[in-house]
Amino acid sequence: AQSVSQHNHHVILSEAASLELGCNYSYGGTVNLFWYVQYPGQHLQLLLKYFSGDPLVKGIKGFEAEFIKSKFSFNLRKPSVQWSDTAEYFCAVNGGNNAGNMLTFGGGTRLMVKP
Amino acid sequence: DAGVTQSPTHLIKTRGQQVTLRCSPKSGHDTVSWYQQALGQGPQFIFQYYEEEERQRGNFPDRFSGHQFPNYSSELNVNALLLGDSALYLCASSILGRADTEAFFGQGTRLTVV
Repeated sequence: AQSVSQHNHHVILSEAASLELGCNYSYGGTVNLFWYVQYPGQHLQLLLKYFSGDPLVKGIKGFEAEFIKSKFSFNLRKPSVQWSDTAEYFCAVNGGNNAGNMLTFGGGTRLMVKP
Repeated sequence: DAGVTQSPTHLIKTRGQQVTLRCSPKSGHDTVSWYQQALGQGPQFIFQYYEEEERQRGNFPDRFSGHQFPNYSSELNVNALLLGDSALYLCASSILGRADTEAFFGQGTRLTVV
């Protein structure tokens, strides 16, 4: 069975600090990897995705993530966070050649950025 | 371009009752998935519908059932509600068979069982 582990449940940073959120997955096969963000009171939105090719993917709002296959990891990074990045972040995985397949989510990381 | 819409946004039900939640997928999408997000946790997959049939199912009891209509919209039904069913229910739509597209989520229905 596939699973996703997010190591940090809560992170508090000051504006302009760098961010790295960890994500490890367990899945035996070809994977598609996603980071979703949930701003307070809003729906889940896609930050970035990895299907194939360059393991360093860039998403919206200055976020990027690196797929390291040997470590089963897909960590999210941002060099300089802003107050508006305060949200909950979810790593997710699905398998096969169909990105519409069921998603397995991690437990989420709640990020608070202090102005 | 309308995204994924869900109704109602909030709902309060009593233990033992039944509830129906509704979802309209993003335009052009043919597949609808439902997720349960308990407080402080990540979404958990309930089931997925394509061509009006349940295509995949997560680890949820038979009290959870669904339906997809010819216009691709979907309903989630939960019978014999338990307090533990209180959660945010998310609908996501996607295109089956497209390896390069992702799921889009609605804002969810907040269900409270008292």
